[in-house]
Amino acid sequence: GDSVTQMEGPVTLSEEAFLTINCTYTATGYPSLFWYVQYPGEGLQLLLKATKADDKGSNKGFEATYRKETTSFHLEKGSVQVSDSAVYFCAPSRSNAGNMLTFGGGTRLMVKP
Amino acid sequence: DTAVSQTPKYLVTQMGNDKSIKCEQNLGHDTMYWYKQDSKKFLKIMFSYNNKELIINETVPNRFSPKSPDKAHLNLHINSLELGDSAVYFCASSQAGTGDSPLHFGNGTRLTVT
Repeated sequence: GDSVTQMEGPVTLSEEAFLTINCTYTATGYPSLFWYVQYPGEGLQLLLKATKADDKGSNKGFEATYRKETTSFHLEKGSVQVSDSAVYFCAPSRSNAGNMLTFGGGTRLMVKP
Repeated sequence: DTAVSQTPKYLVTQMGNDKSIKCEQNLGHDTMYWYKQDSKKFLKIMFSYNNKELIINETVPNRFSPKSPDKAHLNLHINSLELGDSAVYFCASSQAGTGDSPLHFGNGTRLTVT
């Protein structure tokens, strides 16, 4: 079945450091790929998405490129802020299930001043 | 304006009780979902409804019964609650489509079974 593998957290960085959160997935067909962010006590919010190979999704300084050959969608940001502290989820759309997403356990990011 | 709203935000109850969680979306979406998030933040799909019809049931116990009176509402009723049901439950909605429409999530309902 479809699945997602993300690096386990927490990832702890100092402010202005470079961020990479790795994500690989298994899916049949050709899924769209999403990154969601969850702040404490809140629901998930869409961060960015990519719908076809080599597409780059970007938002708020975060970027991720759809790599079909390696089935990866790594999240990057050049300079993190304390306000980026949250849990980040990579999610492919599920094969043959419309817009339903497959999630893993997320990666917690902690940014220190 | 809250796009996807769930009530209650917190729910504390004893084993064996029956409880419901309500969800409403004002985005005009056709598809709604229930996800369960465990203590390790792992999110798992439970149900998906499209225009009031069940399309996905991910081997959830029969004690869980979703009900969709109209396409803007998807409520979750849980019978005979067990300790293992303790989790955060998220409702979400999206436009019907072929996989590129994002999900919009509510803020979750934290269920604690004692």
